[in-house]
Parts: sequence; structure tokens; C-alpha cells
Amino acid sequence: KAGVTQTPRYLIKTRGQQVTLSCSPISGHRSVSWYQQTPGQGLQFLFEYFSETQRNKGNFPGRFSGRQFSNSRSEMNVSTLELGDSALYLCASSRRRAANEQFFGPGTRLTVL
Amino acid sequence: QQQVKQSPQSLIVQKGGISIINCAYENTAFDYFPWYQQFPGKGPALLIAIRPDVSEKKEGRFTISFNKSAKQFSLHIMDSQPGDSATYFCAASISTNAGKSTFGDGTTLTVKP
Repeated sequence: KAGVTQTPRYLIKTRGQQVTLSCSPISGHRSVSWYQQTPGQGLQFLFEYFSETQRNKGNFPGRFSGRQFSNSRSEMNVSTLELGDSALYLCASSRRRAANEQFFGPGTRLTVL
Repeated sequence: QQQVKQSPQSLIVQKGGISIINCAYENTAFDYFPWYQQFPGKGPALLIAIRPDVSEKKEGRFTISFNKSAKQFSLHIMDSQPGDSATYFCAASISTNAGKSTFGDGTTLTVKP
């Protein structure tokens, strides 16, 4: 079974731009969660989607948004990028019956200049 | 408020030794406690997890010890190998909010040959 895939793997943007990151969960997994990983803040929860609905949201500004499609693929968008948004953005998927058991993708490394 | 505190920040162990990483949590509603292993350039990989109805779980060289009254849990890596050198994260989640995990800050483990 293929793992969680994330595209692109690396991205360089400048302040003020917006960015869209994509995540394809493991086949059969319907829950997708997004996390931001930085050296200073560690792994911080962004949001979770299940059946195209946002089920949970972390403490991030409204510039961070996401969505999930009917095939469970998910995208997250960051608008008006700031230098502090530079991070590794991780996507994790899980099965409904074992939703705690999260499987992570390799992440998208975003650098904001 | 940091809900999951992890220590030590870094750990150096000789090959064949025992590596021990500790975590403490505050929220008594947490009911799922996983450990993740992360190599550079990769996403975290689920290593082993425990629920509070058991005090210990062992999988191969990896053991989780859980102390519900102290709100602490730890990861023991027996017969540590250089290939175990990685960053380890403890996490906690609530089953009714399963897609949202709260992570510790991570421990960088170096196993010297």
C-alpha cells in the first residue's frame, strides 16, 4: 500500500505570496490532519478534515486554510506569507476506526524569503 | 501551556545500551499515547503506542511504560543500535478528537558505535 504523499516536496516563496500544498492520504484513509514543524515550536496541529469537513482547528491565524475533496485528498493554503511561515508542513492520514493512529507523509519544506 | 513535556532534549548512548526518553502530560482526557521516530528529511513514523488501560507495551526492542497516576510515560529502546539514531517524539490525543495530536518537543538520540 502506498504511503501518504505530499507535493511539492520543496517550495520557495517570497513574503506576501500565497501557497497551496497538497496531500494524498493512504488508500482507504478518510481523515487527514495537517501539522507545522519548526525548530522553535516543534510539531503544531493546524487542522483536521474528515469526509470533506473540517473537524478540528489549531491555533493558527485565518491565513491558514484547508479543504478536503471527495477522494479524501486534501490541500492547505497559506495566504500573505510571512517569514515565520517557513517550516516543514506535514500531512497525516488515519482510518476512521483507528483515528488516533496517524501516518505521516514526508512533508513539504516551505521557505519564505 | 505545554501539555506534553518531553525530556531529555538530546541523548547519547553507546551501542548495545538502553535509551530512555520520558514524557509527562497534563490533560487527563488524553487516552492514546504514541511515540514517533523521525529521520532527517522524513516525516515522523509511528513506532509504538499505548492506551492508559495497560502499564506496559513491548514491540521488539521498543517498550512503552505508562504511569497513569503520575501522568507520565516513557520509551525504552533496548540494545540501541546506530540505526536508531533519530529524533523521537512522544504525543498524546483524545479518542473523541483523534485527528489532533499534541506532541512533545522531541529528543535527538545518537547511538555511538
